Amino acid sequence: GENVEQHPSTLSVQEGDSAVIKCTYSDSASNYFPWYKQELGKRPQLIIDIRSNVGEKKDQRIAVTLNKTAKHFSLHITETQPEDSAVYFCAAYDYKLSFGAGTTVTVRA
Amino acid sequence: DGGITQSPKYLFRKEGQNVTLSCEQNLNHDAMYWYRQDPGQGLRLIYYSQIVNDFQKGDIAEGYSVSREKKESFPLTVTSAQKNPTAFYLCAGSSGRTGELFFGEGSRLTVL
Repeated sequence: GENVEQHPSTLSVQEGDSAVIKCTYSDSASNYFPWYKQELGKRPQLIIDIRSNVGEKKDQRIAVTLNKTAKHFSLHITETQPEDSAVYFCAAYDYKLSFGAGTTVTVRA
Repeated sequence: DGGITQSPKYLFRKEGQNVTLSCEQNLNHDAMYWYRQDPGQGLRLIYYSQIVNDFQKGDIAEGYSVSREKKESFPLTVTSAQKNPTAFYLCAGSSGRTGELFFGEGSRLTVL
């Protein structure tokens, strides 16, 4: 089955700086790669996703890149704000969604 | 209002008791999933169902059971065989084609 690894497990950044989270996956059949943001005690919320026929996607301050050959994808958050503080999960989908272990992002004011 | 509805939000159980978590959806999703989340950890797949009357084990199915008698409903039973059931349980639905999951608000189970 699919195995998704996510790094780093924690990330502390100064407000206004950029944050980068990286994930690798094992199953070359995976074709959909979403990123979820989860605030404490809440359900995960989809923030951006990318499909295997696309190399990069951007939505305002967040962007995702995908390298199919290397089987890795990354989340980039620019101009970080305090409200970006949360746990972020990457995932990979073949016929079911497998999640990484999560990255706790703290934005310091 | 609609989407994925889980109940109860909080549940306390004594050791040795079975408990059933409800998950209902009105999004006409073919696929439904149950995930378990422990503090500081990611989401681990318990069971999933891609069509009515069919379901498959996920990565941590031992001690759990499900049914999918209706498209709208995918209840999860945590049995007494589950040795460490205290966790946050998330139900999700998907149209199946896109892979995008829509999550319920979760059920927090505590074993006393």
